[in-house]
Amino acid sequence: EDQVTQSPEALRLQEGESSSLNCSYTVSGLRGLFWYRQDPGKGPEFLFTLYSAGEEKEKERLKATLTKKESFLHITAPKPEDSATYLCAVQAWGAQKLVFGQGTRLTINP
Amino acid sequence: GAGVSQTPSNKVTEKGKYVELRCDPISGHTALYWYRQSLGQGPEFLIYFQGTGAADDSGLPNDRFFAVRPEGSVSTLKIQRTERGDSAVYLCASSLAQPGDTQYFGPGTRLTVL
Repeated sequence: EDQVTQSPEALRLQEGESSSLNCSYTVSGLRGLFWYRQDPGKGPEFLFTLYSAGEEKEKERLKATLTKKESFLHITAPKPEDSATYLCAVQAWGAQKLVFGQGTRLTINP
Repeated sequence: GAGVSQTPSNKVTEKGKYVELRCDPISGHTALYWYRQSLGQGPEFLIYFQGTGAADDSGLPNDRFFAVRPEGSVSTLKIQRTERGDSAVYLCASSLAQPGDTQYFGPGTRLTVL
């Protein structure tokens, strides 16, 4: 069964304090790994898709990386507006559904 | 352009009642998905439509849950004989047809069963 585990469950940082979020996964065959951001009371907002080990993608202060067992979301010099829950999901070959982790709730204090 | 829309945004019902939740996908997206999200958890897959047909309904928890997409656009998720455990946020997403295409989510419907 495909599984995704995210850590930590919650993370508090000071503005400008860089850190990383972890997403560990087991999947029968990885078609893609997806990162979403979710604000309270809203639906997930797409950030990145990674398809193969070694791939990296960047957007503003965020960079996502992928290995054969895990993905990291690195956040550099975060701002309060980066506060949100970050969700990781995998899609297996032969399936359309996404299997999500439980999310990491990130709080950036000014 | 317009994103995925869902109505109602909130629904409060009593145990045992029937509810319908509606999803309007992004125009041109042939794939449509329903997920359910409980507090503090990630979304959990329910059902996937390709066009008018349900291509994967393996996530529906039991036969009280049913979804339709009769014209290949708007979809309705139907829950019969609601139970308190059905309380959650129901999310709809849509994508283009190819595997690996990005799924774009709507704002969700918060269902509360009293």
